[in-house]
Amino acid sequence: GAVVSQHPSRVICKSGTSVKIECRSLDFQATTMFWYRQFPKQSLMLMATSNEGSKATYEQGVEKDKFLINHASLTLSTLTVTSAHPEDSSFYICSAGGADGYTFGSGTRLTVV
Amino acid sequence: GENVEQHPSTLSVQEGDSAVIKCTYSDSASNYFPWYKQELGKRPQLIIDIRSNVGEKKDQRIAVTLNKTAKHFSLHITETQPEDSAVYFCAASISTASKLTFGTGTRLQVML
Repeated sequence: GAVVSQHPSRVICKSGTSVKIECRSLDFQATTMFWYRQFPKQSLMLMATSNEGSKATYEQGVEKDKFLINHASLTLSTLTVTSAHPEDSSFYICSAGGADGYTFGSGTRLTVV
Repeated sequence: GENVEQHPSTLSVQEGDSAVIKCTYSDSASNYFPWYKQELGKRPQLIIDIRSNVGEKKDQRIAVTLNKTAKHFSLHITETQPEDSAVYFCAASISTASKLTFGTGTRLQVML
């Protein structure tokens, strides 16, 4: 079946630095990728929809200049958390849709210290 | 946009009993309704899904029902086992090419 590879699985960074998270579709082409954030004991909240070759669509309340999304190819979408702060610590997960449903990456646990 | 509400937030059942989780959605255009099981720190795992042209779907101990008129759908787990203990999320989307909106989650605990 469809596989989405997400890296890194865990990252710890200092406040003020940037972190890049990658999601690759391994055996299919993903023209659209969805990025979610999940705080402890909460649901998955959609942050943005990345579109191959065009600008991402951000959900209301998500700062596009802070969460940079790039979808330069049909198999790679990246999320960069810029100038990270402790409140950005969360579980970030990507997803791609297909005929049989959605495929999720394994998630990235970001801790900002 | 779509809003999905899920109840209850926590559910404790005895092993062997049934568990029911209910969700309502707001967007009448939604046509795809998956249910996910998520263990701590892991990706959501699809356990069953239903599309709007079907009213009920069953897979062994798991079943989902959909009432499009009332805009609600439910997950039924029969003969619960300890390994069923996890957080369950319902979700809704217009299609699998569209964004997926998640419910708030239900923490299911199956007690021995």
